[in-house]
Amino acid sequence: QQQVKQSPQSLIVQKGGISIINCAYENTAFDYFPWYQQFPGKGPALLIAIRPDVSEKKEGRFTISFNKSAKQFSLHIMDSQPGDSATYFCAASYSGGYQKVTFGTGTKLQVIP
Amino acid sequence: GAVVSQHPSRVICKSGTSVKIECRSLDFQATTMFWYRQFPKQSLMLMATSNEGSKATYEQGVEKDKFLINHASLTLSTLTVTSAHPEDSSFYICSARDQIALSGEQFFGPGTRLTVL
Repeated sequence: QQQVKQSPQSLIVQKGGISIINCAYENTAFDYFPWYQQFPGKGPALLIAIRPDVSEKKEGRFTISFNKSAKQFSLHIMDSQPGDSATYFCAASYSGGYQKVTFGTGTKLQVIP
Repeated sequence: GAVVSQHPSRVICKSGTSVKIECRSLDFQATTMFWYRQFPKQSLMLMATSNEGSKATYEQGVEKDKFLINHASLTLSTLTVTSAHPEDSSFYICSARDQIALSGEQFFGPGTRLTVL
């Protein structure tokens, strides 16, 4: 199975709050899980990525939590800011990202002041 | 950081014409580039994998005779939409992988908005 399921479809968070986006995958051969941020009319940009040998990775306000047994991973954005308002895509790939990337359906995040 | 450019950023054409979109890796060499299509408010859908010096690999349901891909050098891949029709209007995005990087990270271009009248 190639599918990567993502939820919620949209999310509204107040400034300073925590934004949480969840993803689930089926194919256990996936071994690279990136998150991308996309602003309207722009290409996606890599935000943070994790491999299945770790359960958590943090970079600044962004944290990925990874549950290998449940085949789930999530993105947490701490202290959310209006500038974080964008569409976020989780994704999965093989061979450490050397193969094609399968994208989730996307989450439109709106951070309100 | 690694930069991928696309040209043009926007193109409007008449139905039946062909349009060429360029994808360049500016500061790294890419043996593999990927072409995606994104419809409004939807996710990115992989169209094809482009390998330098060889034929592209197309995803199921993508017409290879309609979407011609040429990866002639380690820094340039082109996508030609032949005999474009209004249903081909979309946002086309390429990505490239640094062939010597250990991470396997793909870098995405800024996208090309194609509108077919």
